[in-house]
Amino acid sequence: KAGVTQTPRYLIKTRGQQVTLSCSPISGHRSVSWYQQTPGQGLQFLFEYFSETQRNKGNFPGRFSGRQFSNSRSEMNVSTLELGDSALYLCASRPDPAGETQYFGPGTRLLVL
Amino acid sequence: AQSVSQHNHHVILSEAASLELGCNYSYGGTVNLFWYVQYPGQHLQLLLKYFSGDPLVKGIKGFEAEFIKSKFSFNLRKPSVQWSDTAEYFCAVSISGTYKYIFGTGTRLKVLA
Repeated sequence: KAGVTQTPRYLIKTRGQQVTLSCSPISGHRSVSWYQQTPGQGLQFLFEYFSETQRNKGNFPGRFSGRQFSNSRSEMNVSTLELGDSALYLCASRPDPAGETQYFGPGTRLLVL
Repeated sequence: AQSVSQHNHHVILSEAASLELGCNYSYGGTVNLFWYVQYPGQHLQLLLKYFSGDPLVKGIKGFEAEFIKSKFSFNLRKPSVQWSDTAEYFCAVSISGTYKYIFGTGTRLKVLA
């Protein structure tokens, strides 16, 4: 099976712009989670989607949003970018949302100038 | 609030040295426990996991971890590290019966050849 894919892999944006990141989970996986990874902060949980519904949300401002489509693909959007949003954004999928192993994609590295 | 603590942020060892990375979590109920590893330039991948049963679990590449419920700990060990173990290691906890998945801040391990 193909792994989790994320596009684009790299992005450079300026403050105030918005960005959309995409994630395609492993075939058959219905749960998709998003994380922000920064040095020293580890992985900060953004949100999780299952069957097109947001099941869980982390402590990020409303500028961070996401959605999931009927084919389980997911997008996350960050509006009004700030310098502090520069990070590696990771997507992870799993077949069932409760407790199972997550499978991670390569991430999208976002640089905000 | 539930949390996961990894006390060692940076560890430097020589090849053949023994490794122990600490992980403690704060939650009184049933949990599933994971260690993930991120090798330079690669995806986060599962190293080992504990759901139930024998509290000493073995993972890939000679790693093992011991779940000590009374100490809320899940420390990672390897008797003899190799240069190729240079990576960032993340401990994670999943709260049983929920969708919550909490990561520690990670430990960067550098093994000197």
